[in-house]
Amino acid sequence: ETGVTQTPRHLVMGMTNKKSLKCEQHLGHNAMYWYKQSAKKPLELMFVYNFKEQTENNSVPSRFSPECPNSSHLFLHLHTLQPEDSALYLCASSRGLAGVGNTGELFFGEGSRLTVL
Amino acid sequence: GIQVEQSPPDLILQEGANSTLRCNFSDSVNNLQWFHQNPWGQLINLFYIPSGTKQNGRLSATTVATERYSLLYISSSQTTDSGVYFCATHSGGYQKVTFGTGTKLQVIP
Repeated sequence: ETGVTQTPRHLVMGMTNKKSLKCEQHLGHNAMYWYKQSAKKPLELMFVYNFKEQTENNSVPSRFSPECPNSSHLFLHLHTLQPEDSALYLCASSRGLAGVGNTGELFFGEGSRLTVL
Repeated sequence: GIQVEQSPPDLILQEGANSTLRCNFSDSVNNLQWFHQNPWGQLINLFYIPSGTKQNGRLSATTVATERYSLLYISSSQTTDSGVYFCATHSGGYQKVTFGTGTKLQVIP
């Protein structure tokens, strides 16, 4: 148990579907992240939120829409995805952003494995 | 941005053997983490080690920040050690963490 919980663990969706991934952290952290891990590629940072405010959008297509209602919850809304979006989506949290009095040490959830048909 | 390279990319060990995984980075770093990704995809924190040496059971890690590398030692390996090991680091006081490409370890009985 890392204190970061992701649901669902597995998701299969068609290209016209709308679905959401959920992440919840019980660590009292203030920063939350979405990462994408595709086969044969390094982990890619997608979004960063700090105290509910988005601080980083790493040129992610608009078919991925993040939402952070509070410091403990992070969502990734998915719509009109492409088969190449199939990947493992990992949520992480940290006490704060690195370089602002915090180490930025990351704690990851178990991931949501997404398959787009 | 900072470049993070890991070696070897793949490693097969007999159960009980020892191994050393290496992480090189191209610039000075503020922190460094080692993770183990299990076969189900979860990234498990092993060490937060911006400098110095830490030990946790059969695992230990050393970061020599001035030489821009970190090492992860696995002793008396077990089949449950199989998976991919990543190092990751911040640079420049920025929240964008850069991950290495990983070392895929397979421990066989």
